[in-house]
Amino acid sequence: DTAVSQTPKYLVTQMGNDKSIKCEQNLGHDTMYWYKQDSKKFLKIMFSYNNKELIINETVPNRFSPKSPDKAHLNLHINSLELGDSAVYFCASSRHEPGLASDEQYFGPGTRLTVT
Amino acid sequence: DAKTTQPPSMDCAEGRAANLPCNHSTISGNEYVYWYRQIHSQGPQYIIHGLKNNETNEMASLIITEDRKSSTLILPHATLRDTAVYYCIVSRATNKLIFGTGTLLAVQP
Repeated sequence: DTAVSQTPKYLVTQMGNDKSIKCEQNLGHDTMYWYKQDSKKFLKIMFSYNNKELIINETVPNRFSPKSPDKAHLNLHINSLELGDSAVYFCASSRHEPGLASDEQYFGPGTRLTVT
Repeated sequence: DAKTTQPPSMDCAEGRAANLPCNHSTISGNEYVYWYRQIHSQGPQYIIHGLKNNETNEMASLIITEDRKSSTLILPHATLRDTAVYYCIVSRATNKLIFGTGTLLAVQP
């Protein structure tokens, strides 16, 4: 069984559209994350949620809105897509409450978003 | 969080040990050393982490110098499937991972 899954794997859309990427983890973890990896391969954290509450928002434009219906899911909704949003988006999860313990993050397979 | 310095690329012969260095001279006492890798087109994968002592698991060994200013990740018997970008990250907590540019390890047949 896949530990952290994302859908869709590929997403091609036009500028101005609104799209969502879904993430689910079956590990029973408390914390989930969204990362963006751009064309230069830099991997940057966007958001972190712990038990459905936002913990980290790394100065991401407010066109990006994460939604956590329960602690196993963290979806990413993007409004008014721009060319610069083209990237691979990774979801991840970890066991402990952020900052309290060292623990590894488990990453999903990524969603390649292409905005034309 | 402390910055890390890694060589941009390394080669290793298949079956030999791969030793990947990382400098983190500004590391503070409560910061862990994490290693992740990213195989092409896949999500990053956790390898190992440590605070002061050397650590070993089924994937690799982590050797941290006594002054904690540098560390080495050792893959004891590299295979072609170990070809990946390896990231050394120093952080106080798992939620504050800042990925740098890493080391591209190319395992040669």
